[in-house]
Amino acid sequence: QQQVKQSPQSLIVQKGGISIINCAYENTAFDYFPWYQQFPGKGPALLIAIRPDVSEKKEGRFTISFNKSAKQFSLHIMDSQPGDSATYFCAAIPYNQGGKLIFGQGTELSVKP
Amino acid sequence: DAEITQSPRHKITETGRQVTLACHQTWNHNNMFWYRQDLGHGLRLIHYSYGVQDTNKGEVSDGYSVSRSNTEDLPLTLESAASSQTSVYFCASSSTGIETQYFGPGTRLLVL
Repeated sequence: QQQVKQSPQSLIVQKGGISIINCAYENTAFDYFPWYQQFPGKGPALLIAIRPDVSEKKEGRFTISFNKSAKQFSLHIMDSQPGDSATYFCAAIPYNQGGKLIFGQGTELSVKP
Repeated sequence: DAEITQSPRHKITETGRQVTLACHQTWNHNNMFWYRQDLGHGLRLIHYSYGVQDTNKGEVSDGYSVSRSNTEDLPLTLESAASSQTSVYFCASSSTGIETQYFGPGTRLLVL
């Protein structure tokens, strides 16, 4: 069973701080690594994504770092804001499997004012 | 605007009853997916479809079924509801060849 493992399960950060969420995968046949953001009572929404031929991708305050040899990738949220408080899921799509998402367990982020 | 909707948003049922959760999307996406979300497990794939008349089992398909008679809808049926199926269910859709999935607002199901 292909797996994606995510940590920590919960994270508390002060406003203006850096939030870091880590994921690791066990199968090398993944070719797309998205992060989804979910607010309470809502469905997940795509936040940012990366392909394994790139080591870093930045969009505004959100950055994905990707380490192919270690099979790890992480989400960094710079200058964290209370509005970033949500649950974050990393995910991976296996190569040539029609967009099937395999999700990590999720991280509940709380940014304190 | 195109969207994906789920109904009902909340459902309480009894063990052994058949339950159907609806999912409707107006993006004309070929791919549709059903997930369940449970604390500590993230989202797990139940069933998915790549087009009309196509259905496939996901990671946790036991006790669930789907049918795809048109592009817009993928209803999820719990044949005989069990307490272990108490969960939040999300439907998602995507275009062929495009990895981004768009999720519905979810259905919270309680099986007593």
